[in-house]
Amino acid sequence: DAKTTQPNSMESNEEEPVHLPCNHSTISGTDYIHWYRQLPSQGPEYVIHGLTSNVNNRMASLAIAEDRKSSTLILHRATLRDAAVYYCILAYAGGTSYGKLTFGQGTILTVHP
Amino acid sequence: NAGVTQTPKFRVLKTGQSMTLLCAQDMNHEYMYWYRQDPGMGLRLIHYSVGEGTTAKGEVPDGYNVSRLKKQNFLLGLESAAPSQTSVYFCASSYSGERTEAFFGQGTRLTVV
Repeated sequence: DAKTTQPNSMESNEEEPVHLPCNHSTISGTDYIHWYRQLPSQGPEYVIHGLTSNVNNRMASLAIAEDRKSSTLILHRATLRDAAVYYCILAYAGGTSYGKLTFGQGTILTVHP
Repeated sequence: NAGVTQTPKFRVLKTGQSMTLLCAQDMNHEYMYWYRQDPGMGLRLIHYSVGEGTTAKGEVPDGYNVSRLKKQNFLLGLESAAPSQTSVYFCASSYSGERTEAFFGQGTRLTVV
């Protein structure tokens, strides 16, 4: 199964943009890229997902490299409520692992007032 | 609109005891997942299901069994609990796995003494 690599931690200031990187160099052509976040003492929460094209929603934007070996989650204006662990996940669409959602270690995002 | 409901929310077991964790979803989702999260760690996939009557092993399946007899329910069983199974357990569901977002329950905190 393909794996993702994320920085252990990142810091940002409130109301500034945040770019959270993720490497997935062994991604296969049909694997989707998902991002989730987990606030303290809560279950993970969906943020965004995509396959090839860049995606936007009310929470964030997802920029996917042309070769799909990396992606970046963009929070346009960080707030204190965005402080969480952010997970980049590959969702397998084919083969014997289809449907599998495997989390990595994630990036701890700290937002300073 | 309950979403994903986990029962129980807390439990203390003695070593060697058995128990079943119940995950119920009311969104007609095909895919369901069980994860465990140890302190300071990411989520690790125990077992998952891509439809009623199906189950598959995740990253850490040993010591656990699962059943998906009804589409809306996914049961996680511990036949003989061990202290190493002390963890927070999360259940999730999604409509189509890789193509749609997953919804998570609030977790079950299990302590094995």
